[in-house]
Amino acid sequence: DIVMTQTPLSSPVTLGQPASISCRSSQSLVHSDGNTYLSWLQQRPGQPPRLLIYKISNRFSGVPDRFSGSGSGTDFTLKISRVEAEDVGVYYCMQTTQFPLTFGGGTRVEIK
Amino acid sequence: EVQLLESGGGLVQPGGSLRLSCAASGFTFSSYVMSWVRQAPGKGLEWVSGISGSGDNTYYADSVKGRFTISRDNSKNTLFLQMNSLRAEDTAVYYCAKKDGIRGLNAFDIWGQGTVVTVSS
Repeated sequence: DIVMTQTPLSSPVTLGQPASISCRSSQSLVHSDGNTYLSWLQQRPGQPPRLLIYKISNRFSGVPDRFSGSGSGTDFTLKISRVEAEDVGVYYCMQTTQFPLTFGGGTRVEIK
Repeated sequence: EVQLLESGGGLVQPGGSLRLSCAASGFTFSSYVMSWVRQAPGKGLEWVSGISGSGDNTYYADSVKGRFTISRDNSKNTLFLQMNSLRAEDTAVYYCAKKDGIRGLNAFDIWGQGTVVTVSS
């Protein structure tokens, strides 16, 4: 199974400042079709998860451009350029390259 | 509007069974892989099971293999999860989620609100 490791566990951020979350996979996420199926999800308190980013760096419909994804192979990063109050929640990376599908442990973004 | 609505959760004793349902609307249900994802209280997300659009192919996490069965009824736009031999560690919110492969996303773009399963005596 592919293990997804996120750091940090928690990220206290001042409003308007940037935040960065790292995700590392135990093996390459490059699929046989050449794509890398790494996505990022946001879970606000009391809400179901919401897709933010797919295939490393593609913003899903309606996602603000302050969210960006990057990386390749086994190392990936989610960045929030300027954190807003509505960004509070837990962020998960997820791989859909191979079964079983796996999530990172989550990173809590909170306002300092 | 694209929507997923789970039902069937509740309180069940260890060793018991429960059947979850997920009613889909607003998209061509049979065209998409569907999955169940769960979240234990205060914990992270765990993928549980997935099924192809036709229902011919199913996939399971090791933690539920042999105890849970995923299925779908495309004529009724409904996804199911039959859970048998339930354990305390199966206590969680269970979400159904749609995986968009058609547009090349291969990511879970739509999630339901979840249904709560509690396994306790």
